[in-house]
Amino acid sequence: SQKIEQNSEALNIQEGKTATLTCNYTNYSPAYLQWYRQDPGRGPVFLLLIRENEKEKRKERLKVTFDTTLKQSLFHITASQPADSATYLCALADDYKLSFGAGTTVTVRA
Amino acid sequence: EAGVVQSPRYKIIEKKQPVAFWCNPISGHNTLYWYLQNLGQGPELLIRYENEEAVDDSQLPKDRFSAERLKGVDSTLKIQPAELGDSAVYLCASSARGETDTQYFGPGTRLTVL
Repeated sequence: SQKIEQNSEALNIQEGKTATLTCNYTNYSPAYLQWYRQDPGRGPVFLLLIRENEKEKRKERLKVTFDTTLKQSLFHITASQPADSATYLCALADDYKLSFGAGTTVTVRA
Repeated sequence: EAGVVQSPRYKIIEKKQPVAFWCNPISGHNTLYWYLQNLGQGPELLIRYENEEAVDDSQLPKDRFSAERLKGVDSTLKIQPAELGDSAVYLCASSARGETDTQYFGPGTRLTVL
């Protein structure tokens, strides 16, 4: 069966450190993978997209890697800030259809 | 530019009652999606519209759920009758023509069925 697994535990880190989130998948062949941020009481907000032929993507303090052999994506938040505290969702795309993981909650301590 | 608008934001109903959710997508976005999000889980697609046509409703429980997008702009999702297990957040999203890799989500409607 198809499965998307993100860090099962919430992540608590000190301000300024790097947060690394994991997204593993089985029985998918995604054309691309996305990462979203979701704050309590709000809908997900698109952050980054990485395609199957790309290894790494960066946007400001965010970095995403995509290893189709390992079936894994890593999402890094460098120089983390308390404002980065949120739940981060990975989503695998097959054409238009997104399949989401359950998310990892990140808390950045000042 | 206004984002995706949803109403109501919260709804509490008794089981077996009907309920409806409304969504207005970003202006010019021809693709509209309805998702369901349970607590602690990611969103799950219920239905996708291209203009007024439902092009994927395979995950919509058609015995009690229905949706419409009559003029290819705003959309309504209905549940009749609601069950306890329908308590969740219902999210609407939209994307532009040719840019379905970027979906913009609304704030969602939190439904509680008592």
